[in-house]
Amino acid sequence: DQQVKQNSPSLSVQEGRISILNCDYTNSMFDYFLWYKKYPAEGPTFLISISSIKDKNEDGRFTVFLNKSAKHLSLHIVPSQPGDSAVYFCAANTGTASKLTFGTGTRLQVTL
Amino acid sequence: GAVVSQHPSRVICKSGTSVKIECRSLDFQATTMFWYRQFPKQSLMLMATSNEGSKATYEQGVEKDKFLINHASLTLSTLTVTSAHPEDSSFYICSATVSGSSYEQYFGPGTRLTVT
Repeated sequence: DQQVKQNSPSLSVQEGRISILNCDYTNSMFDYFLWYKKYPAEGPTFLISISSIKDKNEDGRFTVFLNKSAKHLSLHIVPSQPGDSAVYFCAANTGTASKLTFGTGTRLQVTL
Repeated sequence: GAVVSQHPSRVICKSGTSVKIECRSLDFQATTMFWYRQFPKQSLMLMATSNEGSKATYEQGVEKDKFLINHASLTLSTLTVTSAHPEDSSFYICSATVSGSSYEQYFGPGTRLTVT
């Protein structure tokens, strides 16, 4: 039972354009959502997070939007840079220091 | 801040032997650490949750006698793969949460285990 889903396994975006990565979840108990970036053979790097009481959180080029009624969140990267090319995972948990449930990941490639 | 290290980064062992992987929080105290494994082109799968000073909580399907977890201090958790088999070959990653109230988990760089 995949509680967190990323339906697009890959995404290609031109440098300077906006990258939009999507994530859907089914568990209504999730109250905190996170995005991680991962390179092969490395651990995930925390990017940005959002609490379920908010619908938007912004940090530099990264913005996460949460639509609780649709159980959907998205990560916007603008402008996209070649160094953003990596696999992006969304994750969710139900409380502090609780386990994360990860999505299946989306491979982003930013082309010149 | 919030740096997590793992050692070793890569290990090759023979079938039947045991391997210990260390996870350290370098600049913060971590009451809770998590151990994940990742197969090629798949997502991270949680193996167990490790709480300092108490027994680990294992996810369904993870053999606790095969994957021994010890969280002896607020900065160190270890995962020992006992009697390793080739199917245990994987990428093992730990994460830690900052003690107190924290939702974010910070991940180590991972350990590539190859069992021959």
